[in-house]
Amino acid sequence: AQKVTQAQTEISVVEKEDVTLDCVYETRDTTYYLFWYKQPPSGELVFLIRRNSFDEQNEISGRYSWNFQKSTSSFNFTITASQVVDSAVYFCALRSYDKVIFGPGTSLSVIP
Amino acid sequence: DTAVSQTPKYLVTQMGNDKSIKCEQNLGHDTMYWYKQDSKKFLKIMFSYNNKELIINETVPNRFSPKSPDKAHLNLHINSLELGDSAVYFCASSQDRAGGLETQYFGPGTRLLVL
Repeated sequence: AQKVTQAQTEISVVEKEDVTLDCVYETRDTTYYLFWYKQPPSGELVFLIRRNSFDEQNEISGRYSWNFQKSTSSFNFTITASQVVDSAVYFCALRSYDKVIFGPGTSLSVIP
Repeated sequence: DTAVSQTPKYLVTQMGNDKSIKCEQNLGHDTMYWYKQDSKKFLKIMFSYNNKELIINETVPNRFSPKSPDKAHLNLHINSLELGDSAVYFCASSQDRAGGLETQYFGPGTRLLVL
């Protein structure tokens, strides 16, 4: 069975702090993809990143970085020097063949 | 100018009615999707079409039927609407040649309320 866990339901940080959002997944497949999405208070969905199971290189995009570790089945997302505009719900997702599973989301509030 | 558009943006209807939500993308993408987000914000993929062919069909009631007249459109038709169908429905598209989901572009969502 496949599963995506985002144990942090809600996180609050003060602006400029760094914050890491955890994502732990379960799958028996050797080929799979992991994703992060952002949903700001306005409600739209924004795709952030895709990572395939054979590429464990960490990725950095501006203030965003992702740490993929197959050994712990985790795909964590770090925001450096958080800003108020980062306030949103963040979803982690797993795709394996034709199945896509989303985590329940982590609501991040960045306080000015 | 809009990459992925959905109509209508809001839909309020009575139980038992049949309704459609339209989605169009002008990005030239091969793959389109429908997602459902319920009142608790849980996200679920419903369907995915690649070049008009169904490639993902999650367990959804057969009252939901996607229709893809061409690769720029993926409409969602819902028969006999039920209270539990109330949700936000997102359409998305991607240039998906390798079987994995590349960068996806989402529509603004359609907020469906069934009374």
